[in-house]
Amino acid sequence: DGGITQSPKYLFRKEGQNVTLSCEQNLNHDAMYWYRQDPGQGLRLIYYSQIVNDFQKGDIAEGYSVSREKKESFPLTVTSAQKNPTAFYLCASSSSGIGYGYTFGSGTRLTVV
Amino acid sequence: GENVEQHPSTLSVQEGDSAVIKCTYSDSASNYFPWYKQELGKRPQLIIDIRSNVGEKKDQRIAVTLNKTAKHFSLHITETQPEDSAVYFCAALLPGGYQKVTFGTGTKLQVIP
Repeated sequence: DGGITQSPKYLFRKEGQNVTLSCEQNLNHDAMYWYRQDPGQGLRLIYYSQIVNDFQKGDIAEGYSVSREKKESFPLTVTSAQKNPTAFYLCASSSSGIGYGYTFGSGTRLTVV
Repeated sequence: GENVEQHPSTLSVQEGDSAVIKCTYSDSASNYFPWYKQELGKRPQLIIDIRSNVGEKKDQRIAVTLNKTAKHFSLHITETQPEDSAVYFCAALLPGGYQKVTFGTGTKLQVIP
């Protein structure tokens, strides 16, 4: 499915729960990213990672956490501290260097119930 | 950090007409400018990109122009077709130790048959 797989496609979270979104790629890309998409607000960067065991906060990291233990995997945890988590979450990957576009996963739609 | 502004937010054109979407960026060090197309309910996909050492790039019916002095770049779609209807995002890459792309807020293009 384009080499980058997100699961689940739909996720429902109760108030106070932590949930983890999965992102796996088999493209041998060094860099991986998490974006949040809300209607009318485009794509906002949550976290990104250029290499294994290292990651950086993006523009809206509060209430989220990530890990990068393997090159192929970059899971995102939405913690109970994220007060408005309902959104569409997109994972992406890219090769290092200038001029490499992103390959996006198909997204996870998270809803708080 | 980088800031990317995109206009218009919505655009309706008659089938066969041209469509132009414009973006401006704030940091003159940005050197890579991709464009993504996101159809309803699907993942964004890279459709064309341009590097800062190039002024224009064309791929069939789509083209991108870059004016580094004015810090703006534009997407041009000619002979629009209904399947061009989608949300289009521009983006700018600011190089550095951790390269990350900043996206515009998106333009919803509707091609009317």
